[in-house]
Amino acid sequence: AQSVAQPEDQVNVAEGNPLTVKCTYSVSGNPYLFWYVQYPNRGLQFLLKYITGDNLVKGSYGFEAEFNKSQTSFHLKKPSALVSDSALYFCAVRDLDSNYQLIWGAGTKLIIKP
Amino acid sequence: GAGVSQSPSNKVTEKGKDVELRCDPISGHTALYWYRQSLGQGLEFLIYFQGNSAPDKSGLPSDRFSAERTGGSVSTLTIQRTQQEDSAVYLCASSKSGTSLSTGELFFGEGSRLTVL
Repeated sequence: AQSVAQPEDQVNVAEGNPLTVKCTYSVSGNPYLFWYVQYPNRGLQFLLKYITGDNLVKGSYGFEAEFNKSQTSFHLKKPSALVSDSALYFCAVRDLDSNYQLIWGAGTKLIIKP
Repeated sequence: GAGVSQSPSNKVTEKGKDVELRCDPISGHTALYWYRQSLGQGLEFLIYFQGNSAPDKSGLPSDRFSAERTGGSVSTLTIQRTQQEDSAVYLCASSKSGTSLSTGELFFGEGSRLTVL
């Protein structure tokens, strides 16, 4: 079965420190992987995606993610966290059965403390 | 506006009443999704529209839920005889084409928060 796991419900990071939000996936074919961010009382916003090519993908707001096929991971990273990065982060993978659906992780709440 | 527009932003209703939630997608986007999000949790797929094709209704939790999309644009999600467990944020998203997730990301509205008393 296809799935996405975000093993941490919450991640706490001090402002200025690097941050990592973890995501692992399980699909039978080549994955299309996505990160979205949800600020309080807002809809989700696209951050970045991996389809093919370079394993390191750069996205909005200084975020990047590294695709690791051997570890089936797609962790979200940022070198220096900002308080304004505090939000709910969702990892998703394309559902290979439907081709138009995304399978969503449960979300990770990122809290950046000043 | 340029984004996905949802209305109402907040709706409080009594148990047993019907509610309608509206989504106006980005112009030209042929794919439209409805999701439900409970208390800051993950997204639960409800229904998917793509152009004039038959919608994928596989995520609708019961026959009290229905949705339509008129003219390939605006969509309405209707919940009949609301129950307290229907309380959630209902999110709408659109994309240029649902079958082109490699090239088109989803654009989300800000959601309709439904509270059933």
